[in-house]
Amino acid sequence: KQEVTQIPAALSVPEGENLVLNCSFTDSAIYNLQWFRQDPGKGLTSLLLIQSSQREQTSGRLNASLDKSSGRSTLYIAASQPGDSATYLCAVFTSGTYKYIFGTGTRLKVLA
Amino acid sequence: ETGVTQTPRHLVMGMTNKKSLKCEQHLGHNAMYWYKQSAKKPLELMFVYSLEERVENNSVPSRFSPECPNSSHLFLHLHTLQPEDSALYLCASSQDDYRTGKLFFGEGSRLTVL
Repeated sequence: KQEVTQIPAALSVPEGENLVLNCSFTDSAIYNLQWFRQDPGKGLTSLLLIQSSQREQTSGRLNASLDKSSGRSTLYIAASQPGDSATYLCAVFTSGTYKYIFGTGTRLKVLA
Repeated sequence: ETGVTQTPRHLVMGMTNKKSLKCEQHLGHNAMYWYKQSAKKPLELMFVYSLEERVENNSVPSRFSPECPNSSHLFLHLHTLQPEDSALYLCASSQDDYRTGKLFFGEGSRLTVL
C-alpha cells in the first residue's frame, strides 16, 4: 500500500532564503508525481508534474526532482518570497491503481 | 471564468437534509474526481469518472452518491450525513489519460454537518 510522507510538517523562513521541501513514498512503481500548492481554504494548484521517466522539472523559481529508486522527491524554491507562503503537497500516482495518493503537506511561512 | 468551478462554496446542513454539490469544468477534460479533505489528514479520493463512467469508488459510504451527466459536470448528492462528514470537498479534472495528466482543482465546497 502506497504511503506518502512529507517532512517537515511546517517551516518558517526569512524572505530570500532558498529552501527544500521533502516528499517520500513507499512504493516506487509510480506513473508520476505532482507538487501542489494550497492557500488557506482554497483548492489546490498544480505546480509541477514529473513523469516516472524524468528526473526533474523546473518552472520559474521552482525545481522538483524525482528519485524513484529511493522513493524520494524534493521541491526546491529559490529566493523565497512572502507570496510563497502556503501549504505544499505532493501526490504520487501508483501503477495498477486509479488514484493519486497525497501527503499531508508542508505548511510554509515566508517572513518579510 | 475559472477552469473548475464548484458550488456552493459553503454549505451547512442537518443530518436529515438532502443537498448536492456541483462541479463544472471548462477545460475540455475527460476525467473528473471528488476528493475529501479533513483537518490533519491527507486528501482522500472518493470517486473517479472517466468519459462519464465511474472507474473508482473508494469505499465511500452510500450516503454520498455521485452523478456525472456529461464530461463537463459532476455532482455529489448528500443525504443523512454525519457530523464527521464535515470537510472540504474538492472537485478536480484531468485531460486524456487520467493516469498521467495534471490535476486541476476547484476552490472546494466547505461542508458543515450539524
